[in-house]
Amino acid sequence: DAKTTQPNSMESNEEEPVHLPCNHSTISGTDYIHWYRQLPSQGPEYVIHGLTSNVNNRMASLAIAEDRKSSTLILHRATLRDAAVYYCTSRAGSYQLTFGKGTKLSVIP
Amino acid sequence: GAGVSQTPSNKVTEKGKYVELRCDPISGHTALYWYRQSLGQGPEFLIYFQGTGAADDSGLPNDRFFAVRPEGSVSTLKIQRTERGDSAVYLCASSPTASGGTDTQYFGPGTRLTVL
Repeated sequence: DAKTTQPNSMESNEEEPVHLPCNHSTISGTDYIHWYRQLPSQGPEYVIHGLTSNVNNRMASLAIAEDRKSSTLILHRATLRDAAVYYCTSRAGSYQLTFGKGTKLSVIP
Repeated sequence: GAGVSQTPSNKVTEKGKYVELRCDPISGHTALYWYRQSLGQGPEFLIYFQGTGAADDSGLPNDRFFAVRPEGSVSTLKIQRTERGDSAVYLCASSPTASGGTDTQYFGPGTRLTVL
């Protein structure tokens, strides 16, 4: 699985959009990009995944660069409940998720 | 519906003791994973079960760690001769199938193990 790089921390004001970047420059053509988030004292929670084209679900949007070397998780309106550590990970044929340190998102009321 | 549950939620033990950590996956999920998370780090893969068999145990750090899933549902992670470095949160996850790139893993709340 490709190595992923994310900023250690980010801040956002409540009700504003948040763009969380991830670099995965060694990703192969068949690696899916997955995002999970982890609230304090909880296990990780699935957010979204994609392969090539942009993806939307009720939680977030995922924008994948054309060369697939980076992606951005977009929270359209940050709420206090979105404060968490966000992990970007890639998966190919292997079944386990490979987590980095993630980005700790703080939401300011 | 019920999510993944793990017991106990906290376990404190002494160095050298044996511990068992239990995971109840979501009903019907055939794939089950164990991860370990140290403070300030992301979860680290330990072992993956497909049904009753361990399909990949490459993440187990040494032979003191062992996991079973005898009936393809509940799994137990066993740690012998615990060491202080084993202190961490042990997470269990399950997924409906194991399709590699696309399946979603559902995580439990974890067991916090403290070795004194």
